[in-house]
Amino acid sequence: AQSVTQLDSQVPVFEEAPVELRCNYSSSVSVYLFWYVQYPNQGLQLLLKYLSGSTLVKGINGFEAEFNKSQTSFHLRKPSVHISDTAEYFCAVSSTGTYKYIFGTGTRLKVLA
Amino acid sequence: EPEVTQTPSHQVTQMGQEVILRCVPISNHLYFYWYRQILGQKVEFLVSFYNNEISEKSEIFDDQFSVERPDGSNFTLKIRSTKLEDSAMYFCASSEAHGTGVTQYFGPGTRLLVL
Repeated sequence: AQSVTQLDSQVPVFEEAPVELRCNYSSSVSVYLFWYVQYPNQGLQLLLKYLSGSTLVKGINGFEAEFNKSQTSFHLRKPSVHISDTAEYFCAVSSTGTYKYIFGTGTRLKVLA
Repeated sequence: EPEVTQTPSHQVTQMGQEVILRCVPISNHLYFYWYRQILGQKVEFLVSFYNNEISEKSEIFDDQFSVERPDGSNFTLKIRSTKLEDSAMYFCASSEAHGTGVTQYFGPGTRLLVL
């Protein structure tokens, strides 16, 4: 069975500082990995996804993530955050044989002035 | 940019009542999904739907739940007799294609509170 773990429920960080949001997954088959962001009162918006190929994936709004198969991780990073990055971030996985996403519990990023 | 919309944004109901949550997927999408998130827990898959049929469902999606595409634009989730534990945020999603790695586009959610 697949699962996704986001260990940090909340991450406070000062504006212009770097941030890393952690995501670990478990799966016995090939996986496809996603990061979504939810701004207040909005839907889940795709930030980036890993399907295959280069393990470093670049997404929207300056975010990137690195797929690490040996550590079963897909951590999200941004070198310099803005106040507008304050939101909830969800890591998700899908795998062969199913169309559903398996989500983590989300990480609330709060960027402080 | 096209987006998935959901109504209502909030719904309060009494235990045992029926509720219908509505979604308008992106217009050229053919595959539809419902997920839910109980407060403090993970977003969980409920069901996927294509060509007027359920293509996959989770163990959560029991007989009290049903989905329907009543017309060319709406996609609904009905909960027949709500329970306290149905209180959650319900997300609708849609996609152009159906397969692993396909991007699903999510709506803003409906927060359901069962009293």
